[in-house]
Amino acid sequence: AQSVTQLGSHVSVSEGALVLLRCNYSSSVPPYLFWYVQYPNQGLQLLLKYTSAATLVKGINGFEAEFKKSETSFHLTKPSAHMSDAAEYFCAVRSSNFGNEKLTFGTGTRLTIIP
Amino acid sequence: EAGVTQFPSHSVIEKGQTVTLRCDPISGHDNLYWYRRVMGKEIKFLLHFVKESKQDESGMPNNRFLAERTGGTYSTLKVQPAELEDSGVYFCASSQNLDYEQYFGPGTRLTVT
Repeated sequence: AQSVTQLGSHVSVSEGALVLLRCNYSSSVPPYLFWYVQYPNQGLQLLLKYTSAATLVKGINGFEAEFKKSETSFHLTKPSAHMSDAAEYFCAVRSSNFGNEKLTFGTGTRLTIIP
Repeated sequence: EAGVTQFPSHSVIEKGQTVTLRCDPISGHDNLYWYRRVMGKEIKFLLHFVKESKQDESGMPNNRFLAERTGGTYSTLKVQPAELEDSGVYFCASSQNLDYEQYFGPGTRLTVT
């Protein structure tokens, strides 16, 4: 069984400040990990993914995440927040075994940017 | 290339009524998934089609939910009869075979009153 925990359902940061969104996972097999973003009135958009290659993954819009097996974490960061980053962010895990493709999501973190 | 589309974007129905949600995946994507997010909770998997076959329907909550994918193209998710706890946002996603990225549609917000 797999699970994802996102600490903090709401996070507020000032424009220009560091963004840190936390994600911890549980998986009995090597995981693939994902961060998705949902802007208002839009669908889920893939930000970045970890698929057992480099542990530091760079995504779109300046976001990156680091896979830490020892901590079972996959935290999302961005050095300098922009107003356009305001959205809801979802961490997800799936098994790396072929054929088991469903995603297991966390509860989401709503990011607010303070001008 | 068109993305995943869902119809309607919003549906408001009364308890006991029937609602049918539709999803059109990206052309050529054999895999189609339905997920649901109930207010404030996580996005939960409902089921997975490979072409027209149900690969995994372990997330379907009960027999009031019926999903179909005729001809392996678009899919429908019917809720009959709807209950208050069925309210939420229903997402559809599609992916190519052997491709781990799932592309999501904008969702259908279902409100049962």
